[in-house]
Amino acid sequence: KAGVTQTPRYLIKTRGQQVTLSCSPISGHRSVSWYQQTPGQGLQFLFEYFSETQRNKGNFPGRFSGRQFSNSRSEMNVSTLELGDSALYLCASSLVGGNSPLHFGNGTRLTVT
Amino acid sequence: SQQGEEDPQALSIQEGENATMNCSYKTSINNLQWYRQNSGRGLVHLILIRSNEREKHSGRLRVTLDTSKKSSSLLITASRAADTASYFCATDIPDSSNTGKLIFGQGTTLQVKP
Repeated sequence: KAGVTQTPRYLIKTRGQQVTLSCSPISGHRSVSWYQQTPGQGLQFLFEYFSETQRNKGNFPGRFSGRQFSNSRSEMNVSTLELGDSALYLCASSLVGGNSPLHFGNGTRLTVT
Repeated sequence: SQQGEEDPQALSIQEGENATMNCSYKTSINNLQWYRQNSGRGLVHLILIRSNEREKHSGRLRVTLDTSKKSSSLLITASRAADTASYFCATDIPDSSNTGKLIFGQGTTLQVKP
């Protein structure tokens, strides 16, 4: 079975721009969650989708949004980028969500200049 | 705020030694999970222990859970250089409004010297 695939692997953007990150979950997994990882804040939950519905959202501003498609693939979007958005963005899929093991992709490293 | 806090923040040992990492959390949980992360890559799930379990084994890994103390420990026996990584505990929040959300600790960075 193919693992979780995140694209792109690296991204460099300028302040004020927007960015879209993509995640393809493991086949059959209906839950996709996103996490932001920074040296200062560690791993922070962004949001979780299950069968195209957002079930939960972390404490991030509205500039961070996401969606899930009918094939369970997910995208997250960050608008009006700020320097502090520089981070490793990790996507994880699972069968049912938080009570089952998460399978992570290798992340997208976003650098905002 | 972080649910989990891990101790120590960094650990350096020789190959063959055992490594113990501890995790404390604040609220009640359904389960606690441990993950490993190699530098700059995604996390890999190691083990899940449910709140009604006290100990669980997987290969060279042994996890204990003490819900009365809200703490867990991960023991890696006979460590290898390949075990060098960061280790995170993660807990859920048994509240329907928090479905699908895991709270991660800050992690323990383990270095195993050959």
